[in-house]
Amino acid sequence: GAVVSQHPSRVICKSGTSVKIECRSLDFQATTMFWYRQFPKQSLMLMATSNEGSKATYEQGVEKDKFLINHASLTLSTLTVTSAHPEDSSFYICSAPRTRGYSRETQYFGPGTRLLVL
Amino acid sequence: AQKITQTQPGMFVQEKEAVTLDCTYDTSDPSYGLFWYKQPSSGEMIFLIYQGSYDQQNATEGRYSLNFQKARKSANLVISASQLGDSAMYFCAMREAGNTDKLIFGTGTRLQVFP
Repeated sequence: GAVVSQHPSRVICKSGTSVKIECRSLDFQATTMFWYRQFPKQSLMLMATSNEGSKATYEQGVEKDKFLINHASLTLSTLTVTSAHPEDSSFYICSAPRTRGYSRETQYFGPGTRLLVL
Repeated sequence: AQKITQTQPGMFVQEKEAVTLDCTYDTSDPSYGLFWYKQPSSGEMIFLIYQGSYDQQNATEGRYSLNFQKARKSANLVISASQLGDSAMYFCAMREAGNTDKLIFGTGTRLQVFP
């Protein structure tokens, strides 16, 4: 079964509004989570690293004031797209690494959120 | 800089046949991890298989196996006995160097399985 959930799965909003997307690790704690963005027929591009208890780390070219990230607990990270515009329409997907002892072999993804800004 | 390359934009395979999806990588770090994910049309990213750079044996998970050739810097995914449900996008990814779990993704290969 799913080990990382994301909510909502789809959202349609008007231009200028803010949208919050939640990412939860279901049966493990994740001190770090990642947020990716995927345009149609393209690969995943990392937007930022969400760190529990500290500020998120943003990739080059990603506006931190536009994409607010809060890692509220060891199982929850949120991404808020502020003042959304049509060009923000995309598929947003989160991931959380799950370690087994010293192994870092597994990283699970949420089911993704399709955002459409009208 | 680290890089993942998938040169096959699309592949076709007949049901029950095996198929190999290519992935090459570039890194100067001796410690790295390689992943394969499947992304069906629903969009979810499904973890398939992992290979660590120090692993002595090629990784296998059911019908999936990873043909890891370290000297060639390739990590091809082999799917045996293809099923119609295997039709999807497949992404190769590498964990970045250093103490991080960031993943760098290739451009993906769209696999279509036909009856």
